[in-house]
Amino acid sequence: DTGVSQNPRHKITKRGQNVTFRCDPISEHNRLYWYRQTLGQGPEFLTYFQNEAQLEKSRLLSDRFSAERPKGSFSTLEIQRTEQGDSAMYLCASSFRDRDLNTEAFFGQGTRLTVV
Amino acid sequence: KQEVTQIPAALSVPEGENLVLNCSFTDSAIYNLQWFRQDPGKGLTSLLLIQSSQREQTSGRLNASLDKSSGRSTLYIAASQPGDSATYLCAVRVRTALIFGKGTTLSVSS
Repeated sequence: DTGVSQNPRHKITKRGQNVTFRCDPISEHNRLYWYRQTLGQGPEFLTYFQNEAQLEKSRLLSDRFSAERPKGSFSTLEIQRTEQGDSAMYLCASSFRDRDLNTEAFFGQGTRLTVV
Repeated sequence: KQEVTQIPAALSVPEGENLVLNCSFTDSAIYNLQWFRQDPGKGLTSLLLIQSSQREQTSGRLNASLDKSSGRSTLYIAASQPGDSATYLCAVRVRTALIFGKGTTLSVSS
């Protein structure tokens, strides 16, 4: 396993267009997270999945954002009608949770979105 | 609301120096604390994970400590090298999400 994989690495889009990002987590991890990071800031939590169920969403996740994790494997994050304020690095992470055990979260290389 | 603060925001040291990065958090009810490294334009690389019941973890030249009651963690880097230059992020796990600080940007000169 090569770790968490994100595609594409970079995306430039015009304002108003829709974009979709993909994340492939570490195969045995049952939790998958999406974060957003802007310049000079730490990553901010957007949403997370336990297997295929989306269990928590941040207030940062407006109704233009939607995330899915079909069959508890890869995940997609879609942004509809993009705005310039959506320009950021979108990071995906995965971890394993079983009862009281919380393992390390491993992050992908991120998708850099630029809205022009 | 949990808040994570990292001091200093930036640090420049000559090669070979030992250094300490600080992280503080406002709510001691955490599951664990994780230190990450981030190179410019890249994702995050996990360095150390400390569970809430642990006091410290070591990996090579890195040592991280956790004092949950006072809401503090430190990352000690021994014998710094130019390759250590990066931004170091501290994050605490509360329920499900990791809450991050803004990071300390380290520059090690040769």
